[in-house]
Amino acid sequence: EDKVVQSPLSLVVHEGDTVTLNCSYEVTNFRSLLWYKQEKKAPTFLFMLTSSGIEKKSGRLSSILDKKELFSILNITATQTGDSAVYLCAVGSWGKLQFGAGTQVVVTP
Amino acid sequence: GAVVSQHPSRVICKSGTSVKIECRSLDFQATTMFWYRQFPKQSLMLMATSNEGSKATYEQGVEKDKFLINHASLTLSTLTVTSAHPEDSSFYICSARDRLQAGAGYNEQFFGPGTRLTVL
Repeated sequence: EDKVVQSPLSLVVHEGDTVTLNCSYEVTNFRSLLWYKQEKKAPTFLFMLTSSGIEKKSGRLSSILDKKELFSILNITATQTGDSAVYLCAVGSWGKLQFGAGTQVVVTP
Repeated sequence: GAVVSQHPSRVICKSGTSVKIECRSLDFQATTMFWYRQFPKQSLMLMATSNEGSKATYEQGVEKDKFLINHASLTLSTLTVTSAHPEDSSFYICSARDRLQAGAGYNEQFFGPGTRLTVL
């Protein structure tokens, strides 16, 4: 059975800290791995990774995919209170996305 | 670009009534749209895949007669929750895949803002 597992489920950090979120997967016909940020409404797209070992970076956020070990990490450096959200990992296969349970990040001032 | 709208954003209805939710891709064509449901503090669960001009494909455990999906054009899909009951109260989110990106093999989906359904 296909699965996408995110860890930790939640964490609380202080402003300025760095957080690392994990996503491991077992999915047949893997095509891509996507990271989304969800605040109060629908998810907003962060990154899509298709090739192993290539780091995608946008400002303080970066992500890397390891297709051999079947996982991805999302890093957020110099966290701000505006980074507080649920971060969702999704794996694309057979034309669909399968989501993990998400990691809730709370950044305190 | 890649904007998806949903209407309504919030709806409250009585038990037994039907509710229609619209999902539109505003600046791109989407041959495929997806409908998700999200319960509080849970992740998105795919309900069905909506294909323009053909019948929707439902995930296991989702009643096709209760959740009617119509994808009549390349920019519009609708989800109708028939005879809604309180247990159908949830956050319903649609997403759309750009027809051109899908042809290139990409899985990226653009999400609408969601519809919060409350059934009394």
